[in-house]
Amino acid sequence: GAVVSQHPSWVICKSGTSVKIECRSLDFQATTMFWYRQFPKQSLMLMATSNEGSKATYEQGVEKDKFLINHASLTLSTLTVTSAHPEDSSFYICSARTLADSYGYTFGSGTRLTVV
Amino acid sequence: QQQVKQSPQSLIVQKGGISIINCAYENTAFDYFPWYQQFPGKGPALLIAIRPDVSEKKEGRFTISFNKSAKQFSLHIMDSQPGDSATYFCAASRGGRTSGSRLTFGEGTQLTVNP
Repeated sequence: GAVVSQHPSWVICKSGTSVKIECRSLDFQATTMFWYRQFPKQSLMLMATSNEGSKATYEQGVEKDKFLINHASLTLSTLTVTSAHPEDSSFYICSARTLADSYGYTFGSGTRLTVV
Repeated sequence: QQQVKQSPQSLIVQKGGISIINCAYENTAFDYFPWYQQFPGKGPALLIAIRPDVSEKKEGRFTISFNKSAKQFSLHIMDSQPGDSATYFCAASRGGRTSGSRLTFGEGTQLTVNP
């Protein structure tokens, strides 16, 4: 089945630094990538949607200059948290979709970001 | 119109019992209704999904019941096991060839199955 590899699984960074999270689709072309943020005991909150080769579309209230999304190829998308602060600490999850499977959304394993 | 409401927020059942989680949606354009299982520190994993052209789908111990007229769908876990203890999310989307179709998630249900 479709697999999305997300790295790192956890990261601790100092306040003010930037962190990059990668998601790779291993056996399919990810036409669309979704990035979510999840707080403890809460649902997934969509941050942005990106189509390969296009600029990401951010949800209302999500700072596009803080959360940089790149989807330069059909197998790789990255989320960079710039100038991280403790309030950015959260669980970040990517999800990939391909037009070849109209109803398939494959999720990565998530990244636990802690900003100290 | 994009909301999906899920209940209960938490559920405790005994081993061997039936776990039932309910969801209701508003957007009649939704045509794909998956359920996801999430363990702590992991991403959601697809458990079972249904399209509105059928009223029920069963895969092993997991069954989705779908009521299109009521705009409701539910997950039934038969013979619940301690290993089923996890958070369950219902979701809905418009599928098809629209690449940007996003999943709208319910609030989640924390299921605990006691041994």
